[in-house]
Amino acid sequence: AQSVAQPEDQVNVAEGNPLTVKCTYSVSGNPYLFWYVQYPNRGLQFLLKYITGDNLVKGSYGFEAEFNKSQTSFHLKKPSALVSDSALYFCAVRPASRAGSYQLTFGKGTKLSVIP
Amino acid sequence: NAGVTQTPKFRILKIGQSMTLQCTQDMNHNYMYWYRQDPGMGLKLIYYSVGAGITDKGEVPNGYNVSRSTTEDFPLRLELAAPSQTSVYFCASSPGVPDTQYFGPGTRLTVL
Repeated sequence: AQSVAQPEDQVNVAEGNPLTVKCTYSVSGNPYLFWYVQYPNRGLQFLLKYITGDNLVKGSYGFEAEFNKSQTSFHLKKPSALVSDSALYFCAVRPASRAGSYQLTFGKGTKLSVIP
Repeated sequence: NAGVTQTPKFRILKIGQSMTLQCTQDMNHNYMYWYRQDPGMGLKLIYYSVGAGITDKGEVPNGYNVSRSTTEDFPLRLELAAPSQTSVYFCASSPGVPDTQYFGPGTRLTVL
């Protein structure tokens, strides 16, 4: 069965500093990987995804993520954090090869707080 | 373009009552999903649909039912509500897989 681990419940970073939100995964075969963000009392919004190709994926709002197959990781990064980036971030995975497997498995989420 | 809409936003049920959570999307997406989000637990897939007339169980389907009579609508039915069904429910849609899923704003349900 596939799984996602987000080892930090909360990440605090000063405004203007780089941020990293960690994600590791377990899946049979190659993965499809996603990052979503959730603002208070809102649904999830898509940030970026890795399907195939370049290991560095660029997404919305200046975020990027690096796929590392050997470490089974897909960490989310941003060079300079904004206070408006404060939200709950979810990593998700599904296997690429399993036909008909529509289920995304989500991590528990990491709360990012950017301090002014 | 409204995207994915859900009604109601909030609801309180008594144990044993039933209700339907509505979900509509106007993006002509074939795939639709229902998730529940419990605090500190991420999202769990309840049911999904790959097109009108086709539905299948996700990870946590017990106590729920769905139907998909049109491309636009994907209602979730709770029969005999239990306190364990207290959660925030999200509907989502996607044009295909592994395409991006678009989420609705959620329904916060409390069962007392």
